[in-house]
Amino acid sequence: DAGITQSPRYKITETGRQVTLMCHQTWSHSYMFWYRQDLGHGLRLIYYSAAADITDKGEVPDGYVVSRSKTENFPLTLESATRSQTSVYFCASKISYEQYFGPGTRLTVT
Amino acid sequence: KQEVTQIPAALSVPEGENLVLNCSFTDSAIYNLQWFRQDPGKGLTSLLLIQSSQREQTSGRLNASLDKSSGRSTLYIAASQPGDSATYLCAVRGGANSKLTFGKGITLSVRP
Repeated sequence: DAGITQSPRYKITETGRQVTLMCHQTWSHSYMFWYRQDLGHGLRLIYYSAAADITDKGEVPDGYVVSRSKTENFPLTLESATRSQTSVYFCASKISYEQYFGPGTRLTVT
Repeated sequence: KQEVTQIPAALSVPEGENLVLNCSFTDSAIYNLQWFRQDPGKGLTSLLLIQSSQREQTSGRLNASLDKSSGRSTLYIAASQPGDSATYLCAVRGGANSKLTFGKGITLSVRP
């Protein structure tokens, strides 16, 4: 089916470990985004990408790394996970005026 | 810096009631405004998008209005149903390629 898929959907990891969250879209949208959603903070932008090989920081980029070698994939890596990175992570893409979201990855850092 | 506010944070209504969800934003220079629905444990689903030049958009029982000059948008839900229970978020975009700024959402519960 067309759309945005995220994997894994649930992940438990330990403090200090590296973890990568995957995002794949089938539409070939130019823009892609990573958000985190936390109680009390709402949705906050971590990183975004305007096209393959073009990425830029959002509001809360510290501790995260992104890459975009192909238009359809936009992985998010936590280089050394911390408890404060426990959250629900959403990937999104944008075409023209509208933004579309993936189902989310619930990450717990113990 | 754009700020988006949605008050109240939660709302409970009986089935069949018509209701209005409010969204306010501080910078009226927006490109568009989008309303989303989020079910528990799920991603966001786009409901309606209003361009800055538009006053309202309708989809089924949903009607969204935009008053840019006053920095307000409303989402009107007619004849509410228990299936409408969800969190509703509004988000504004400052330019064609600008990021979305989200409100924290209104959690709606429709009682049978």
